[in-house]
Amino acid sequence: DAGITQSPRYKITETGRQVTLMCHQTWSHSYMFWYRQDLGHGLRLIYYSAAADITDKGEVPDGYVVSRSKTENFPLTLESATRSQTSVYFCASSESGGSGYTFGSGTRLTVV
Amino acid sequence: EDQVTQSPEALRLQEGESSSLNCSYTVSGLRGLFWYRQDPGKGPEFLFTLYSAGEEKEKERLKATLTKKESFLHITAPKPEDSATYLCAVQAGYSTLTFGKGTMLLVSP
Repeated sequence: DAGITQSPRYKITETGRQVTLMCHQTWSHSYMFWYRQDLGHGLRLIYYSAAADITDKGEVPDGYVVSRSKTENFPLTLESATRSQTSVYFCASSESGGSGYTFGSGTRLTVV
Repeated sequence: EDQVTQSPEALRLQEGESSSLNCSYTVSGLRGLFWYRQDPGKGPEFLFTLYSAGEEKEKERLKATLTKKESFLHITAPKPEDSATYLCAVQAGYSTLTFGKGTMLLVSP
C-alpha cells in the first residue's frame, strides 16, 4: 500500500533496553522526520533527514540515533531507553523542504 | 527562535455554532503556515498551507486566513465529525516545521 507506515504500533520496553522504531514511505520523498508528541509540549522534532545518508538534529535529539541508508526507510533508535522517553512517536515525510508533511499513524512507546 | 501559540487550548461548541481558532506566531522570514487536523490515536492530517498575509483557503466548513502575526481557522456551522485537535505549524526559510500545542475542539450534537 502506498503511504507512510510506522511499526510497531505499540511497544512496551524496560529502562536501559535498546529500542528501534521503524518508518517506511513509498513515495520516494526526499525529506523524513521524527517527532515526539507529549501532553503539554505538542509535537517536537527529534531528527530529520533531507536525503539518504544526510541527517540532522532537531529540538530534542538526546538519547536518540537515526540512520537513513535508503530513501524509503528512516529508523529511530533509543540507545538506552529511559522513562522520560515514554511518548507517542510520529514519522513524517515531505517531497521538498517547503511542502506539507505527511504523517504516519504513530508508535506509542512506554518505558517501564 | 520560532514560536507558535494556539488559543484556546480547548473549545466546546454546539452543532451549528460557528467559531474561530487562533494561531499567533513569531518567526523570522515566514515561508509557510500549516494547519493540521489530528484525531485521537492518529497522526496529524494536512489541511492547508498559507504563504502570505491576506491569503485565504477553504475546505468544506473550514476557512484559514493569514495575517503578518497570526492565522485563524474559522469553522462555520460545525458538525460533531469536526471534533478533533487542530494543529498550527510555521516554517521559516528552509527550516523544519515548528508546531503549536494545538486546540482541542469538541462539537456536541
